Amino acid sequence: GAVVSQHPSRVICKSGTSVKIECRSLDFQATTMFWYRQFPKQSLMLMATSNEGSKATYEQGVEKDKFLINHASLTLSTLTVTSAHPEDSSFYICSARELTRTDTQYFGPGTRLTVL
Amino acid sequence: AQSVSQHNHHVILSEAASLELGCNYSYGGTVNLFWYVQYPGQHLQLLLKYFSGDPLVKGIKGFEAEFIKSKFSFNLRKPSVQWSDTAEYFCAVNSYNTGRRALTFGSGTRLQVQP
Repeated sequence: GAVVSQHPSRVICKSGTSVKIECRSLDFQATTMFWYRQFPKQSLMLMATSNEGSKATYEQGVEKDKFLINHASLTLSTLTVTSAHPEDSSFYICSARELTRTDTQYFGPGTRLTVL
Repeated sequence: AQSVSQHNHHVILSEAASLELGCNYSYGGTVNLFWYVQYPGQHLQLLLKYFSGDPLVKGIKGFEAEFIKSKFSFNLRKPSVQWSDTAEYFCAVNSYNTGRRALTFGSGTRLQVQP
């Protein structure tokens, strides 16, 4: 089946630093990937849609200068949290859309970000 | 805008009991519907999906869901739950017509199955 990986799975950083999270589709190509944020005991909230070779589309209220998204290839999208603050601590989940066989989104295992 | 409602936030069942989790969505156009499961400490996995055709959809692990267009519902069912079904269940929808492929999730239902 389609597999999506995320790296790192867990990261702790100091306030003011930047953190990069990678999302890879391992056995399929994904022209579209999505970044979600999940707060404890809550649902997933879409942050942005990442399109290969073009700019990401951000949801209302999500700062594009703070959450930089790069989708440089058909198997890799990155989310960089710039100048992280404690309120950015959360669980970040990516998904990749498998288009040709199932037209289904497959989710990565998530990245737990803790900003001290 | 799309929205998804899951009215059962926390369900506790004994093993072998039947399960039905409610999901209602609001959107006037054509939608694709999904149920995902998140086992403790694991990532979201697709249980089943509905795009078109037979409104009764069978998924993995004995789960099924029925799309009732007139009720804007897509309830998840399982005739007999097991302890291993303990997990968080999310209903999700995306719209075919608008091209918006991102998923809109419900708030989730935590299922606890007691042995």
